[in-house]
Formats: sequence, C-alpha cells, structure tokens
Amino acid sequence: QAGLTQPPSVSKGLRQTATVTCTGNSNNVGDQGAAWLQQHQGHPPKLLSYRNNNRPSGISERLSASRSGNTASLTITGLQPEDEADYYCSAWDSRLNVWVFGGGTKLTVL
Amino acid sequence: QVQLVESGGGVVQPGRSLRLSCAASGFTFSSFGMHWVRQAPGKGLEWVAVISFSFMGSFEYYSDSVKGRFTISRDNSKSTLYLQMDNLRVEDTAVYYCVKESNAFDVWGQGTMVTVSS
Repeated sequence: QAGLTQPPSVSKGLRQTATVTCTGNSNNVGDQGAAWLQQHQGHPPKLLSYRNNNRPSGISERLSASRSGNTASLTITGLQPEDEADYYCSAWDSRLNVWVFGGGTKLTVL
Repeated sequence: QVQLVESGGGVVQPGRSLRLSCAASGFTFSSFGMHWVRQAPGKGLEWVAVISFSFMGSFEYYSDSVKGRFTISRDNSKSTLYLQMDNLRVEDTAVYYCVKESNAFDVWGQGTMVTVSS
C-alpha cells in the first residue's frame, strides 16, 4: 500500500510562512481530501485539520489547509518556536479501503 | 473529558501473541469508529486497523502488513477496544496508539510500546 508523499523537511524563519505538501492519487487525497496531524517529540499526534480545511476547536487560525487535485497543503503563517514539530498527512483510500499516511515532514523554525 | 488509555504492551518473542486494550471514557464509545495506529522507533505513523459501523453492521479493515495476523475488536459494554496480535514479527515493534475517529483521527491515547525480539 503506497503511502502519501511529503517532503522530509521544511525550514523557515521565525514569523515566516511555511507550506507542507502531500501528494496522493484520485482514490485518496483527490477523493476524500486529507487530514493533517502535528506531533511533537515524545508526544502522540494531534489533529490539526480534516477534509482539507476544517479545523477542530482550539487549533490556531495561523494554520490552514487546502487541496488542489491530488495534492493537499498545510500552511502555517507567523511561525512560532512551538510550531517546530513533525507534520503528517493522512487520507482514506476508497479503492483499497485503507487509511494511508504520508512519511512525515520535519518543520524547523530558524 | 475524552480519554483513551492503552495497555498490554511489552516484550515478546517472534511468533508469539499479545493482546492490546484501550479503555475509553468521556464519550459514547459505541457511536464512533476506532483505530489502531503504530509508530516504529524513529519512524513515521502507520495505520494498522479500524473497526467501524454502518447501518449494515460493524466492519473491520486492516493494512496489508498485518492482515491475517492481527484482529481488531471492541466491547461496547466495557467501552474498550482490543487488538489481538498473533504471529508477531520483529518489524511489528512500535508504539501502538488507540485513536477515536470523528472527522479523521481526532483523539489519540498516549500509546503502548510493543517490542518483538528474541
């Protein structure tokens, strides 16, 4: 089961804007959209958005998600030190009947 | 307060079995799909299995890497999720997370570590 494709790392400066991409296919990202999760070292993941740009309560408005075709994106504006973490995308694959994850992107705030 | 607490992890030899449990509280357990997701040391997240339901009844799906060896189940009367893991392999070594599904993976437990080693 092929996973979703994410860049291994992204580095941006404090207060800048970072974008993480996630590429799948028409059966997963292109069909159901993607969810985004954040994981700090030593902690379980936390849901940031689902079905492209729906944020659970308590998630900062600095985070926004979108989708274009089979590629989903997570954008974080006004980067803060606490944004430094690993970010994962995930989607339901309606052809394979499985959930797939991206390999994760390590975001470094310089 | 929604809470998921996993238990049952430990060290086991290859080929042996282990059963993980996840005690849920703070929500109507029977109304939500539930997942197991794992993370090998230093690696990314890997989805393992889901148990959900529709008007036709409950259903389970598994990743190819565990299909035929792992079984997900639930006891709604005890608000508990299970993962029966048989014929364990070294590559099953990971932290196993119990996850509630309401709009994707919205609540995670702290995880339980499973180490498969001879």
